[in-house]
Amino acid sequence: GAVVSQHPSRVICKSGTSVKIECRSLDFQATTMFWYRQFPKQSLMLMATSNEGSKATYEQGVEKDKFLINHASLTLSTLTVTSAHPEDSSFYICSARLVQNIQYFGAGTRLSVL
Amino acid sequence: KQEVTQIPAALSVPEGENLVLNCSFTDSAIYNLQWFRQDPGKGLTSLLLIQSSQREQTSGRLNASLDKSSGRSTLYIAASQPGDSATYLCAGLYNQGGKLIFGQGTELSVKP
Repeated sequence: GAVVSQHPSRVICKSGTSVKIECRSLDFQATTMFWYRQFPKQSLMLMATSNEGSKATYEQGVEKDKFLINHASLTLSTLTVTSAHPEDSSFYICSARLVQNIQYFGAGTRLSVL
Repeated sequence: KQEVTQIPAALSVPEGENLVLNCSFTDSAIYNLQWFRQDPGKGLTSLLLIQSSQREQTSGRLNASLDKSSGRSTLYIAASQPGDSATYLCAGLYNQGGKLIFGQGTELSVKP
C-alpha cells in the first residue's frame, strides 16, 4: 500500500521557537495533502488542505500565519508552527490523497512546547 | 453542520467475544465512510472503506456496514483478541475535495 512518511515523530521545544514538520508520500505523487491536529482523548480536526503549487486552504479558526504550510512538490508538504507556545502542544498528523478519495496517513508528530 | 458521532467512548470486552462499534453521521450526503485504527501515540491505519453506493465491506474478522438512510455505520469485530485493543475512528468524506469528518473514537480494550 501507499506509504506516507512524517518527520520528526516527536519534538520538544522552548516557547517562542518555530518547528517544521515534514510529510512525504514515498511511492506516489500527491497533489493534495491534509494536516490534522489531535488533542489527547479527542478526535482529529482538519487544520488545512495543502495543494501542490498553490496556497493552502485553512479551516475556520486556524491561523494561517501561525501554521505555515508549503507544498512545494508532489511528494512533500511541510507544516511550520511559528513562535510555538504551550497551547500548541498537540499531536499533528498529515495525510496524502491518492485515488478515489483515499487518504493515507503519516505516523504523526508529537509536539511538546515547554 | 456535518457531524460524526461514535458511541460508546470506551468499551472493554473479554477475549473471544464478538463486538460492534457504532458510528452515526448527521448528513447523509456522504461520499464514503472509512474506519481507522489508532494505537496510542501513533498514526492511523485504514481498516475498511465503504463507498456511498455500497452496504458493507469485509476484511478478515472485520465487517463494516453503511446505512445512509439512517445515518449509521457499524464495525463488527469477530472473535476479538487482545491485539485488537486500540482506538477505532470512523470518518465520513463529504466532498470530493477530500475533507474527512472524524468521530471522537471508541477506545477498545480486549482482556485476555
